[in-house]
Amino acid sequence: DAGVTQSPTHLIKTRGQHVTLRCSPISGHKSVSWYQQVLGQGPQFIFQYYEKEERGRGNFPDRFSARQFPNYSSELNVNALLLGDSALYLCASSASSGTAFNSPLHFGNGTRLTVT
Amino acid sequence: AQSVTQLGSHVSVSEGALVLLRCNYSSSVPPYLFWYVQYPNQGLQLLLKYTSAATLVKGINGFEAEFKKSETSFHLTKPSAHMSDAAEYFCAVSESGSARQLTFGSGTQLTVLP
Repeated sequence: DAGVTQSPTHLIKTRGQHVTLRCSPISGHKSVSWYQQVLGQGPQFIFQYYEKEERGRGNFPDRFSARQFPNYSSELNVNALLLGDSALYLCASSASSGTAFNSPLHFGNGTRLTVT
Repeated sequence: AQSVTQLGSHVSVSEGALVLLRCNYSSSVPPYLFWYVQYPNQGLQLLLKYTSAATLVKGINGFEAEFKKSETSFHLTKPSAHMSDAAEYFCAVSESGSARQLTFGSGTQLTVLP
C-alpha cells in the first residue's frame, strides 16, 4: 500500500501570497493531522481532521486553515504568507480519531515551503 | 500544559557503543510518550510508544525506552549503535484524549562515528 503522499514536495512563494498544500492519507485512514516543522525544531501541531470534521487546532493564526474531503484527503491553506511560515509541513494519517493509541500516526515526507 | 525537553541537540557515538538520548516531559495528567526518528528529507517514523501498560518499552531497530515517573523521564537507548542509526530523534508527549495531537521536543541529531 502507498504511504501518506504530499504534494508538492517543494514550493517557493513570496510574502503576502497564498499557498495550498495537499495530502492523501493511507487507504482506509480517516484521520489527517498537519504539523509545521521549522528548521532545527520539532514538529508543531496545526490541525487534526477526522471524518471531515475538525477535531483539534493548535496555536496558529487564522491565516492557517484546512479541510478534509469525502475521500479523506486534506488541504492545508495559508494566507498572507510571512517569512516565518517557511518550514516543512508534515501530514500524518491514522485509522482512528483520537484515543486509540494502537493506531499510530503515519507521516508523509512533507512539503518544503520557502517564503521569500 | 504538556511539554517535552530533549537534552542535547547533538549526540555522537562510535559504532557499537551505547546510544542514550534523553527526554524529560511535563504533563498535568498521566502522559502518553513517543519516540520518532526522522531521516534526511523524510517524514517521521514511530520507534516506540508508552501508553501505561509497561514502563520498559521495546521498539523497532533494537531501541527501547524506560518510563520513570519519579524522574519525569523517557530516555531512549540502544545497546550497540549502527551507522544506519544516524538520524534525528524526537520525543513527543500526548495527554489523554488527544492521541493525534502530539507535542514534540526540539530533537536530537545522532551521529554515529566509524
